[in-house]
Amino acid sequence: KNQVEQSPQSLIILEGKNCTLQCNYTVSPFSNLRWYKQDTGRGPVSLTIMTFSENTKSNGRYTATLDADTKQSSLHITASQLSDSASYICVPGGGATNKLIFGTGTLLAVQP
Amino acid sequence: DSGVTQTPKHLITATGQRVTLRCSPRSGDLSVYWYQQSLDQGLQFLIQYYNGEERAKGNILERFSAQQFPDLHSELNLSSLELGDSALYFCASSVEGRGPKNIQYFGAGTRLSVL
Repeated sequence: KNQVEQSPQSLIILEGKNCTLQCNYTVSPFSNLRWYKQDTGRGPVSLTIMTFSENTKSNGRYTATLDADTKQSSLHITASQLSDSASYICVPGGGATNKLIFGTGTLLAVQP
Repeated sequence: DSGVTQTPKHLITATGQRVTLRCSPRSGDLSVYWYQQSLDQGLQFLIQYYNGEERAKGNILERFSAQQFPDLHSELNLSSLELGDSALYFCASSVEGRGPKNIQYFGAGTRLSVL
């Protein structure tokens, strides 16, 4: 059964601090992993996309890593800002139609 | 703004009723996806269309149906509504219909409340 587990479920950090979000997945077939940011009541926005052969991908202050052997991924946020407060969703995918499996997300709150 | 337009933003209806959600994809995108997001759950893939044809089907109930029209806009029809159908419904679009680097752009969603 396809599963995506994200940790922690929620996190509170102070503005300017760094944080790392974790994702463990069991998805087959697998060919790529995405991280999305979803503000409350809004649609998800793509942050990074990695194929199974890529180990890391950066997008500004966001850096994602992927270990396809252990089926783990992480999202590191550097120098957090108040606008980073959102849910961060790990999304592995694969197969002929690239079916995406969405995790339930880590809810991040950045406080001043 | 993702360029994907969903209407209406909010919808309140009663059990047993039927509603239609509408989605206009980004200019140039051929593929449309529908997702359901219930409270505290991850997005659940419902169905995908590519250039008017059904491409993939997920956990879509028989009471739900969708189509993509020649102008590429899509509609999701929900019938015989139940309380459990209350959720956020998202539409996404992409240029291609598959591929590991295919980016899906999401609309702002339609919040459906079934009373």
